[in-house]
Amino acid sequence: EIVLTQSPGTLSLSPGERATLSCRASQSVSIDFLVWYQQKPGQAPRLLTYGASSRATGIPDRFSASGSGTDFTLTISRLEPEDFAVYFCQHYDGSPLFGQGTKVEIK
Amino acid sequence: QVQLQESGPGLVKPSETLSLTCTVSGGSISPYYWTWIRQSPGKGLEWIGYIYYSGSTKYNPSLESRATISLDTSKNQFSLRLRSVTAADTAVYYCARQFRYFGQMDVWGQGTTVTVSS
Repeated sequence: EIVLTQSPGTLSLSPGERATLSCRASQSVSIDFLVWYQQKPGQAPRLLTYGASSRATGIPDRFSASGSGTDFTLTISRLEPEDFAVYFCQHYDGSPLFGQGTKVEIK
Repeated sequence: QVQLQESGPGLVKPSETLSLTCTVSGGSISPYYWTWIRQSPGKGLEWIGYIYYSGSTKYNPSLESRATISLDTSKNQFSLRLRSVTAADTAVYYCARQFRYFGQMDVWGQGTTVTVSS
């Protein structure tokens, strides 16, 4: 069974900075089936990226996904105030599996 | 646009059955997977299972023995039943629309909190 490990647990950054979030799989997977979500307190997760490099409807281009094999990254090029949230990666091979999340907090 | 809304009791007694319904509005049931996810307090996301518009289902192996997901196309609703609940089943339960190929969940309900307590 694949395990997704996200790091760091918490990322403390300032608005305008670049955020790099990691999602590591316990075995090689295709980026085509690696998905990223954003979740704010009291809200449902929001789809950010899927299918290698596709952004969901309405997601700004400061969000980008990359990676291959076992190492995947969500990059937020310049943090906006509304980007401070928890981010989850998800792998799909017929059964969705989530990472434990990375919290991006204001430094 | 498509919207999802969960409904059901917020409090369930231990050993009883948790029953939730998700109503789909503004769109068609086909050709998607309709999924249940839960999130325990302060914890991550756990997939429970999904039902395809055709009626076929798939469950998380850790919950398969207790979970049943069903679909009522006439009402544009799908439902979750989770039997023999314990305090460990206390969570926010979300329904979501899932794409079949890449597996992304693009529309989510707002979530409903279910507490298991006597």
